[in-house]
Amino acid sequence: TQLLEQSPQFLSIQEGENLTVYCNSSSVFSSLQWYRQEPGEGPVLLVTVVTGGEVKKLKRLTFQFGDARKDSSLHITAAQPGDTGLYLCAAPHTGTASKLTFGTGTRLQVTL
Amino acid sequence: NAGVTQTPKFQVLKTGQSMTLQCAQDMNHNSMYWYRQDPGMGLRLIYYSASEGTTDKGEVPNGYNVSRLNKREFSLRLESAAPSQTSVYFCALEGPGNTIYFGEGSWLTVV
Repeated sequence: TQLLEQSPQFLSIQEGENLTVYCNSSSVFSSLQWYRQEPGEGPVLLVTVVTGGEVKKLKRLTFQFGDARKDSSLHITAAQPGDTGLYLCAAPHTGTASKLTFGTGTRLQVTL
Repeated sequence: NAGVTQTPKFQVLKTGQSMTLQCAQDMNHNSMYWYRQDPGMGLRLIYYSASEGTTDKGEVPNGYNVSRLNKREFSLRLESAAPSQTSVYFCALEGPGNTIYFGEGSWLTVV
C-alpha cells in the first residue's frame, strides 16, 4: 500500500491569509491529483499534475508536483470562506493507471 | 456529482441486518468504484469494477459484496451489517484522464 501523508490535518485561518498544505510519500508516482470535498458532498477534482516540478494554477490555488514525483503542495493565496473544505491528494496504485490511493486529507476552515 | 446517483442518502441498520447501496451512472464509463470514508482514514477502496460483469477487491472488501450486472449500475451489499461498517460510502466512476467522479455519498449507521 502506498501511503500518502497530508499535513497539516486541520487548518483554521482567517479570510485573506495564505496557506500551504502538503502531500508526501516515499513512493514515486506517475501523476497526482488534488480533490476538494465540501460537507455533505463527494470529492471534486481540482487538478492533475503529471510532470516532476510541474506547477499549475487555478485562480488563487497553486499546485506543485515535486521534482522526484514523490510529493506535492497546494498553496492558497488570500483564502476566502468558499475555500473551506477537505482537501485530498490522490495517486494511482503502483502498476495501474487507475485505482487511486487517497491521502487522509487536510480540513481547512476559513473564517471572516 | 452530476452523472453518479447513489441511494439511499441515509440509512440506519441494526447489527446483523442486510442492505444494498445502489449506484447508477449516466456517463457511459467502464470503471466504477465503491469507497468508504472514515474520520482520519481517508477514502478507502472497497471494490471496483473495470467493466460490466467484472469485479475485483480493493483495500477493505471484507463484509461486502458487489454486483455489476450492466454498465450503468454497480451495487454494494452488506450481508450482515456490523457497527464497524458505520461510514460514509461513495460510489465513483472513472472518466478520461483518470478523473474520478464521485456520487454524493450514502451515510450508513449500524447500531
